[in-house]
Amino acid sequence: GAGVSQSPRYKVAKRGQDVALRCDPISGHVSLFWYQQALGQGPEFLTYFQNEAQLDKSGLPSDRFFAERPEGSVSTLKIQRTQQEDSAVYLCASSLLNQPQHFGDGTRLSIL
Amino acid sequence: QKEVEQNSGPLSVPEGAIASLNCTYSDRGSQSFFWYRQYSGKSPELIMSIYSNGDKEDGRFTAQLNKASQYVSLLIRDSQPSDSATYLCAVNPGGNTPLVFGKGTRLSVIA
Repeated sequence: GAGVSQSPRYKVAKRGQDVALRCDPISGHVSLFWYQQALGQGPEFLTYFQNEAQLDKSGLPSDRFFAERPEGSVSTLKIQRTQQEDSAVYLCASSLLNQPQHFGDGTRLSIL
Repeated sequence: QKEVEQNSGPLSVPEGAIASLNCTYSDRGSQSFFWYRQYSGKSPELIMSIYSNGDKEDGRFTAQLNKASQYVSLLIRDSQPSDSATYLCAVNPGGNTPLVFGKGTRLSVIA
């Protein structure tokens, strides 16, 4: 079966532009997580959905970051007015309830 | 602040040797523990999960958990050059919650 799918794989944007990153989880996975991974670091939590409900957004670094999962499947992470410090790999993971998380290949975001 | 600590390495071992990767965590109430392997430019891939004290073996991999010492390790027997990657230790504080990751240990297996 298909794994977690993320798009685009690479995104280059100019500072100040808005970007949208997409995550298509494994079919049937209730839980969906977004992480940010800087070079040489482990992934850091951004936000978590259970079905369509955003249960935890404590890791979002600023109000420029917004995530949604309106139908409990595909999720979009939006970053408004991008800054250079937003450059990172954005990872999406999905899981069944209380089961190990499986990651997509990530979106590598570069802000110029 | 929940923390997971790993030695960043690089850890270099000769082909065929045992590689030992270590991780400590700060949240004593943590319930589940994972090792992910991440090749450069790729996503983390789950290789081991462990939930109770003791050892868990899967092929060449053995995970060890000691909750009293807040310590989890990964042993890789008969290391191969293809095992060269960054190994991320991840801890689930409890329930269906986000993972807390260490920074990863870079392993290099020398042929």
